[in-house]
Amino acid sequence: EPEVTQTPSHQVTQMGQEVILRCVPISNHLYFYWYRQILGQKVEFLVSFYNNEISEKSEIFDDQFSVERPDGSNFTLKIRSTKLEDSAMYFCASSSNGQVNTEAFFGQGTRLTVV
Amino acid sequence: DAKTTQPNSMESNEEEPVHLPCNHSTISGTDYIHWYRQLPSQGPEYVIHGLTSNVNNRMASLAIAEDRKSSTLILHRATLRDAAVYYCILSYYNNNDMRFGAGTRLTVKP
Repeated sequence: EPEVTQTPSHQVTQMGQEVILRCVPISNHLYFYWYRQILGQKVEFLVSFYNNEISEKSEIFDDQFSVERPDGSNFTLKIRSTKLEDSAMYFCASSSNGQVNTEAFFGQGTRLTVV
Repeated sequence: DAKTTQPNSMESNEEEPVHLPCNHSTISGTDYIHWYRQLPSQGPEYVIHGLTSNVNNRMASLAIAEDRKSSTLILHRATLRDAAVYYCILSYYNNNDMRFGAGTRLTVKP
């Protein structure tokens, strides 16, 4: 069964450093998403991406965050200058066409720890 | 935003059916009802979705009230592996950016 893969599974970074989280969505999917989940809290929407541009973003997704699809397979989330409060699980997801009646497939997540 | 309300937690016995309720009284006519679950230490996983009619798939059934103000996810025979947080989510602004709430934590007892 096709799946969304995320690397690394765990990333430790120093406060103020840039970090890039990587995702390989399911091939032939067109919509891509990033979510985060702070330990013990709910899953929060960050951003959706379609046709090489941001489709929707939440208030969490400020100027410190950026997304990119650098090639035909990868989808990345960059945090420019990490803060302690960026420590969380980050989930990537993809869906075939982003329509309301389609499912989203999530990866297993990257645990980001900012020290 | 159309919001959903779910109980914080529920318990079930293994091999028994589980009915997980969700209220969405402000649902609009075009909103789909999606259910996802999150097993411990894993990413969310799609379960089922529907619009007006009841839906069945290999994982579960979705029963939607006639007025669409509530729905129920039905697990026909709970297994220990079904212990997870279950999220009832309404589609958002005509796309499927999922906006998760707190969900219902289901505990399955052997």
